[in-house]
Amino acid sequence: AQTVTQSQPEMSVQEAETVTLSCTYDTSESDYYLFWYKQPPSRQMILVIRQEAYKQQNATENRFSVNFQKAAKSFSLKISDSQLGDAAMYFCAYRSDNFGNEKLTFGTGTRLTIIP
Amino acid sequence: GAGVSQSPRYKVTKRGQDVTLRCDPISSHATLYWYQQALGQGPEFLTYFNYEAQPDKSGLPSDRFSAERPEGSISTLTIQRTEQRDSAMYRCASSPKPDYEQYFGPGTRLTVT
Repeated sequence: AQTVTQSQPEMSVQEAETVTLSCTYDTSESDYYLFWYKQPPSRQMILVIRQEAYKQQNATENRFSVNFQKAAKSFSLKISDSQLGDAAMYFCAYRSDNFGNEKLTFGTGTRLTIIP
Repeated sequence: GAGVSQSPRYKVTKRGQDVTLRCDPISSHATLYWYQQALGQGPEFLTYFNYEAQPDKSGLPSDRFSAERPEGSISTLTIQRTEQRDSAMYRCASSPKPDYEQYFGPGTRLTVT
């Protein structure tokens, strides 16, 4: 079974600075997807960014980028120019590429605080 | 619809009562997932549907939990004889196909007293 570990329960960053959230995972599969979801105080689940394991290039979405290290099974999220609206719980998630096993496996989350 | 909707948004029930939670997925989405999120934790998979078929219910904690999607659209999650440990946020997500992005609903917060 796949597992996802987020070792930082809480992080804080000054507004406009850069912060990196860590995620590691364990799998024996070679094809899979990785995601970062944001859960603001409204408790909605919002997809921030996704990475296909077969792609060597790191995904980027505006101020959000990932550092995907397949051999190390590491998938960190970098938020540049942090904004007050980035304050939220961030969850790392894994999804198999095997048919019939497309459920998401989540980590325990990192609470990000933005300091004005 | 414009997004995944869930009802009720909040439910308080007494231990031992049955509850039914509803999920209305994005129209035409074939796949529907149920997750349970305890306070301070990430969501955990319960079960999923591909149209009306339920290929995987391995995450259901006990036989008190059941889910249906009889016409391949709206789904319900029923918890019988609720226990305090069932208190959690129950999230529904839908996807056009199993290997596409999952879109989450706002969740139903269940409190068992």
